[in-house]
Amino acid sequence: KQEVTQIPAALSVPEGENLVLNCSFTDSAIYNLQWFRQDPGKGLTSLLLIQSSQREQTSGRLNASLDKSSGRSTLYIAASQPGDSATYLCAVMGGSARQLTFGSGTQLTVLP
Amino acid sequence: DGGITQSPKYLFRKEGQNVTLSCEQNLNHDAMYWYRQDPGQGLRLIYYSQIVNDFQKGDIAEGYSVSREKKESFPLTVTSAQKNPTAFYLCASTGQHSGNTIYFGEGSWLTVV
Repeated sequence: KQEVTQIPAALSVPEGENLVLNCSFTDSAIYNLQWFRQDPGKGLTSLLLIQSSQREQTSGRLNASLDKSSGRSTLYIAASQPGDSATYLCAVMGGSARQLTFGSGTQLTVLP
Repeated sequence: DGGITQSPKYLFRKEGQNVTLSCEQNLNHDAMYWYRQDPGQGLRLIYYSQIVNDFQKGDIAEGYSVSREKKESFPLTVTSAQKNPTAFYLCASTGQHSGNTIYFGEGSWLTVV
């Protein structure tokens, strides 16, 4: 059974810092990996999707990498801003039913 | 505008009652999912459906039921058998024509009173 772990569970940084969020998964047979953002009491917003054949994806200040063989992904956020404060979730899609398995998330606080 | 619509946003249930959460999508996605999220935790899969008239149990299906009579709709019923239903419920959908990107609704808060 696929298990997804995110470290750290919570992170607080001053504005302007670059930061890295980590995600690891146990079964490398995946279709893709997605990073999501969730604001309190809201649904999930997809940030980046990396197909299993890809190594990284970039969108603005965000860069996500995927190392399928080692079961790891990182989300890099450059020049963090208070508006980046949210919970960041990673999820891997796998199995014949294309199920998503989620990590527990990293709660990010960017201090002004 | 294409997307996923969940309703109601907030729902209160008395003990012993069944309630149904609605999920509608106009993205022409084949696959739809229901997740439950408890405070400070990740999402856990309740049920999923890959095609119309077919659905499968996820990791925490006990106390829940679903139907998939139309491609666009995947309602979730929280039955009285669900011992601890207070949670945030999220519906999602995906399709191969969208590169397997998964889209989420805004969620429904269910509270037992």
